[in-house]
Amino acid sequence: SQKIEQNSEALNIQEGKTATLTCNYTNYSPAYLQWYRQDPGRGPVFLLLIRENEKEKRKERLKVTFDTTLKQSLFHITASQPADSATYLCALEEGGGNKLTFGTGTQLKVEL
Amino acid sequence: GAVVSQHPSRVICKSGTSVKIECRSLDFQATTMFWYRQFPKKSLMLMATSNEGSKATYEQGVEKDKFLINHASLTLSTLTVTSAHPEDSSFYICSAALAGGVTDTQYFGPGTRLTVL
Repeated sequence: SQKIEQNSEALNIQEGKTATLTCNYTNYSPAYLQWYRQDPGRGPVFLLLIRENEKEKRKERLKVTFDTTLKQSLFHITASQPADSATYLCALEEGGGNKLTFGTGTQLKVEL
Repeated sequence: GAVVSQHPSRVICKSGTSVKIECRSLDFQATTMFWYRQFPKKSLMLMATSNEGSKATYEQGVEKDKFLINHASLTLSTLTVTSAHPEDSSFYICSAALAGGVTDTQYFGPGTRLTVL
C-alpha cells in the first residue's frame, strides 16, 4: 500500500543548529515533492517544490534533497530560529492534476 | 500575491443543520481548487478536487451528497456540509492551483474550524 512517513512526531533542537526532517515514501512515483509549513490553526504555507529530476533545491535557509532511488526527501533548516517552530509537511504529487498526498508531518520546536 | 481566503474561519452549528464554507482566490484565477479536512494532530486528507464549471471529483470514502461542492467561477468554490453531525467536526482547508501558470504549487486558505454540537 502507499505510504508517506515523516520522522518522529516531534523534533526539538537548539537555536542556531540545523534541523533535518525526513520524508520517506513507498509505492509512489511522484513527479514532484513539496514541503509546507503549518502553524497551529492555520492552513499550510508552501515552502519548496522539488521535481523528480532534481537532486537539491535551496531557498534562503532552506534546503531540500530528493532521492528517487531511496524514495526519500530531506528538508534542512540551517541557523534555525525559534520562529521556525511549526509543523512541516511533505506532500507528493502523482499522476498529474496537481493532486497532493500529504505526509503525517513533523513538529519542530527550536529552543533558545 | 496568490492569496486564498476562507469564510467563515470558525463556525459552530447544531446537529442536522447545513454549513457552507467559501474559498476564494483573491488575486489570481484558479481552474482547480481542492478541499481537505484535517483532524487534530493528523495530516491533511484530500476530500475532493473541484474544477470550475464541472462536477467535483471526490476521493474514495467521501460522500458527495454529504459534502456538496460548487465551483461557480475561477475565484470561488464552496463546500456545503449537509445535515452536519458531531463527527463532521473538523478543520476544513481549501487550496487553489494557479490557472495557466507553470507552477504546480497549491496555495492554501487559512482553514475553517467546524464544530457540530
